[in-house]
Amino acid sequence: NAGVTQTPKFRILKIGQSMTLQCTQDMNHNYMYWYRQDPGMGLKLIYYSVGAGITDKGEVPNGYNVSRSTTEDFPLRLELAAPSQTSVYFCASSWEREYEQFFGPGTRLTVL
Amino acid sequence: GDSVTQMEGPVTLSEEACLTINCTYTATGYPSLFWYVQYPGEGLQLLLKATKADDKGSNKGFEATYRKETTSFHLEKGSVQVSDSAVYFCAPMKTSYDKVIFGPGTSLSVIP
Repeated sequence: NAGVTQTPKFRILKIGQSMTLQCTQDMNHNYMYWYRQDPGMGLKLIYYSVGAGITDKGEVPNGYNVSRSTTEDFPLRLELAAPSQTSVYFCASSWEREYEQFFGPGTRLTVL
Repeated sequence: GDSVTQMEGPVTLSEEACLTINCTYTATGYPSLFWYVQYPGEGLQLLLKATKADDKGSNKGFEATYRKETTSFHLEKGSVQVSDSAVYFCAPMKTSYDKVIFGPGTSLSVIP
């Protein structure tokens, strides 16, 4: 099992550009999450999904969109990138809500 | 609202010293409690968990006891190693919204 995979590992965007961060899990988990981690800070939840076709906002959803067309994939879309979106983005998944979350290795995004 | 307070870091200890990282939380009901660890350049991984009052989670020599009366879940280890250098996150489950709240993290450096 690969677990949770994320691509790309690093990306530099110019202000106003758009991109999609990819996340895939092969554990057949129902729940998937997107977090951002700013330097020296904890994780902030951006969006989450409790199953294919169902998504909901977390604490900091502005400037992002998600979709969940399959159990495995949970891409995060950034539209009109801003410097405030410079961060490390982690995707995670879990079987049920009170079970352990498995994290991907992260995507380091810089917006200049 | 629900929140978590963690001991501020960074913490620097000598090898074989005792470790305690304090964590207290406010939450409705009785959440499940987690400690996650993040090694340099990696995503988070579960260290231990407890799901009800007086439960003790343990793993890799680390322990934490769910104290309902003080709403605390302090992380302890009797003898730290250099390989324990990482950032530790306390994370109570926000039961009403299917979400885990991550604390700000405590950075630990263990020197030989």
